[in-house]
Amino acid sequence: NAGVTQTPKFRILKIGQSMTLQCTQDMNHNYMYWYRQDPGMGLKLIYYSVGAGITDKGEVPNGYNVSRSTTEDFPLRLELAAPSQTSVYFCASWSPLGETQYFGPGTRLLVL
Amino acid sequence: AQTVTQSQPEMSVQEAETVTLSCTYDTSENNYYLFWYKQPPSRQMILVIRQEAYKQQNATENRFSVNFQKAAKSFSLKISDSQLGDTAMYFCPLGGGTSYGKLTFGQGTILTVHP
Repeated sequence: NAGVTQTPKFRILKIGQSMTLQCTQDMNHNYMYWYRQDPGMGLKLIYYSVGAGITDKGEVPNGYNVSRSTTEDFPLRLELAAPSQTSVYFCASWSPLGETQYFGPGTRLLVL
Repeated sequence: AQTVTQSQPEMSVQEAETVTLSCTYDTSENNYYLFWYKQPPSRQMILVIRQEAYKQQNATENRFSVNFQKAAKSFSLKISDSQLGDTAMYFCPLGGGTSYGKLTFGQGTILTVHP
């Protein structure tokens, strides 16, 4: 089991560029999440999904979009990158039958 | 809205000693979970211990134990026999209830274990 995988590990973007952060899980979890972690801070929820085709906003959704076409994949799209989006992005998945959320290794994004 | 507060930005402890990290929370849910996660410099989020709110017994996991005070909405983590590998940022997110598994994080506590 690979668990939750994220690509890329690190990316530098210029202001105004766009990119997609990829997230895949192989545990057949219905629930998936995107969090961001600013330096020295806790994680904040960007978007989440309770199943294929169903997504909803979290605490800090502005500047991001998501889609969920399969159970396994939950990509996060950044349109028109801004310096405020410099952060580490974590994808996570969860099953209500399980004990906890499983986190990916994170993607570090630098917007210059 | 749910909130989590970790009032100790940084803590330090000598190797082999015991340290306690504090966490308070607020929620209107009756059925919820509390966790302690460890985040070492690698940034990987590692589950340390979990507590269900309906359970009165405090969770333990080897050197890690919690003191869960539901009425006071307090959830502290005690690390016994601290090891150098315990050096990390620690978070105590709140989840469960009707929140579709979403976790609410506090700002974290940086723990440094000195040799």
